[in-house]
Amino acid sequence: DTGVSQNPRHKITKRGQNVTFRCDPISEHNRLYWYRQTLGQGPEFLTYFQNEAQLEKSRLLSDRFSAERPKGSFSTLEIQRTEQGDSAMYLCASSLGSGVGNTIYFGEGSWLTVV
Amino acid sequence: GQQVMQIPQYQHVQEGEDFTTYCNSSTTLSNIQWYKQRPGGHPVFLIQLVKSGEVKKQKRLTFQFGEAKKNSSLHITATQTTDVGTYFCAGPDDKIIFGKGTRLHILP
Repeated sequence: DTGVSQNPRHKITKRGQNVTFRCDPISEHNRLYWYRQTLGQGPEFLTYFQNEAQLEKSRLLSDRFSAERPKGSFSTLEIQRTEQGDSAMYLCASSLGSGVGNTIYFGEGSWLTVV
Repeated sequence: GQQVMQIPQYQHVQEGEDFTTYCNSSTTLSNIQWYKQRPGGHPVFLIQLVKSGEVKKQKRLTFQFGEAKKNSSLHITATQTTDVGTYFCAGPDDKIIFGKGTRLHILP
């Protein structure tokens, strides 16, 4: 399968613990996006990368959230000291460049439940 | 920042009826994208519109981009149960901002 891969698909963690999600984009896609989605809502932008450079981070994100894409390929999203409000599906997407004609491909998401 | 507003939030239609969802922006859009998300699934890209007044069709789906490039619509003709899901429009920023979506329910 050459689509966007995310893991783990499901994570249950206790409040206060740290969690890390990994995203493997489609090969050669230089754009990588992270979104968060809660039930009944649209995907909420978190951050995105052009190759290894993090171009923008949503101001909605607290300092507990950090994302990396060290070699411009896979990316990780870490949430420190998780809170119940962090429970959501975390979506990764990738694209080949940006702008007109660009198609965004989403992974299947990583579900986080904080108990 | 860039925002796209979608209406309606929910739509129930009898199978075979038509369905339309609308997307509006306060600013001119360079392009707009539409996605479909099935229950329990992830968003799947449907189409991108770029030109003012553009109309594109995919079988029973018709997508329109307004002349002023501030609004867009998705129309489904003769809905089927496979059309169930949430339809999102997404703005053109590099970061791709999504509307809240229109959830379509099909009544058999």
